[in-house]
Amino acid sequence: QVKLVESGGGVVQPGRSLRLSCAASGFTFSSSGMHWVRQAPGKGLEWVSFISYDGSNKYYADSVKGRFSISRDNSKNTLYLQMNSLRPGDTAVYSCAKGNTSPGYWGQGTLVTVSS
Amino acid sequence: QSVLTQPPSASGTPGQRVTIFCSGSSSNIGINTVNWYQQLPGTAPKLLIYSNNHRPSGVPDRFSGSKSGTSASLAISGLQSEDEADYYCATWDDSLNGYVFGNGTKVTVL
Repeated sequence: QVKLVESGGGVVQPGRSLRLSCAASGFTFSSSGMHWVRQAPGKGLEWVSFISYDGSNKYYADSVKGRFSISRDNSKNTLYLQMNSLRPGDTAVYSCAKGNTSPGYWGQGTLVTVSS
Repeated sequence: QSVLTQPPSASGTPGQRVTIFCSGSSSNIGINTVNWYQQLPGTAPKLLIYSNNHRPSGVPDRFSGSKSGTSASLAISGLQSEDEADYYCATWDDSLNGYVFGNGTKVTVL
C-alpha cells in the first residue's frame, strides 16, 4: 500500500536552514507528482509546494517563494524540501502528499519548530 | 486569510444532514475542480471528494460534493459521531499559480 514517511524536522533558530525528506513506497514514485503541505499548531492546512513527476515543473506558495526549494530523486523514491531563511511563522507539521494535480494520499508529517 | 472561505463551524444531531459551503472566485473554483478533505482529530488529512463530486474508494456515499459557479459544497447525510472532524475545501488558483485550501470547518455531532 502507499506509504509516505517524512523526516528531518526539529528545532531550528530563525534564519537557519533545514532539509526535509519524504520516503515513498507502495506506488510508482517516478510517475507521480508530489506536494508539500504544512499545518501550524492549531491552524488550518497550507499548501507549500508541488513538483511534477520528472522534476521539470515546480510551484511554490508566495509565503515560501525564494526561501524553499522542492526536489526529488526518483532513483531513491525520495522527495525533498530545502528550507532556508526560516522564520517563526514557518513553524508547522510538514507533510508530503502524492498527487499529480492535487494532494491525494498524505504522510503523517514531521514537526518543524523555528525558535530562538 | 484564505482565498477560499468556509464557515468556521457546523453541527448537527445524529442522522441529520449537514452542508458546508466553500466560496471562491473566478480564478479558482470558477475554473477548476474542487476537492474536499477530512481531518479527524490527531490524524493526517484524507481526500474525501475529488473533482467536485467523486468519492475515492472506501468513502461512504453519505458524503457528496457539488459545485456551482464560484462556490462548492459538501453534504454529509445521516450524520454519525465518527464524522466529527475538520473539513477543508481546496482547488488550484490560476492567479496565484498554486493550490489553495479553505480555512476549514469544524463539524460537531451534538
